[in-house]
Amino acid sequence: ETGVTQTPRHLVMGMTNKKSLKCEQHLGHNAMYWYKQSAKKPLELMFVYNFKEQTENNSVPSRFSPECPNSSHLFLHLHTLQPEDSALYLCASSQDINRGPSNYGYTFGSGTRLTVV
Amino acid sequence: GQQLNQSPQSMFIQEGEDVSMNCTSSSIFNTWLWYKQDPGEGPVLLIALYKAGELTSNGRLTAQFGITRKDSFLNISASIPSDVGIYFCAGRSTDSNYQLIWGAGTKLIIKP
Repeated sequence: ETGVTQTPRHLVMGMTNKKSLKCEQHLGHNAMYWYKQSAKKPLELMFVYNFKEQTENNSVPSRFSPECPNSSHLFLHLHTLQPEDSALYLCASSQDINRGPSNYGYTFGSGTRLTVV
Repeated sequence: GQQLNQSPQSMFIQEGEDVSMNCTSSSIFNTWLWYKQDPGEGPVLLIALYKAGELTSNGRLTAQFGITRKDSFLNISASIPSDVGIYFCAGRSTDSNYQLIWGAGTKLIIKP
């Protein structure tokens, strides 16, 4: 496989459930990102990992918990979500977080469409 | 946080028409990126711009880095049905860290 792969593609969960989203990249990148995408809004950056170290948590509620066991894998653990958390969750990767030319674009996965009921 | 003003929000056009969209910022940018998102997929990078005044093409798509460094434009010539989707601008300002700042997207719809 190549690129950035996200599973599952669709997830419906109750507010008391615990679930996890998975992201895997085969690009040899060292930075990985979680974004939340809601309709007609800019992408919202949630978490950033660079060389497996978390470098950013953009005031995300604790019911979202990221995990990055290695540079190729990124998880988003979900617990006690609210209906307003329903959205498309996108994973992306880049060479690393620096501002060099190789990092001018991220590679995105296809996303997980999450519905909280 | 900082946001980009992307317009229009949506466009209904006839096949074969040219399309224009733009993004503006309140601060100076050193990088502009244009992405397209097809239904059910993640955004895909179309064009990257690095210098003020730069004009770059990718097939029927042409993007420009505004000379004020606070705006960017994307044009699509002779639109075809597969151009349907949401186009996002993104960029980095000179006073921000590595994070990308995103527009809210322009949804392109082609009338049958």
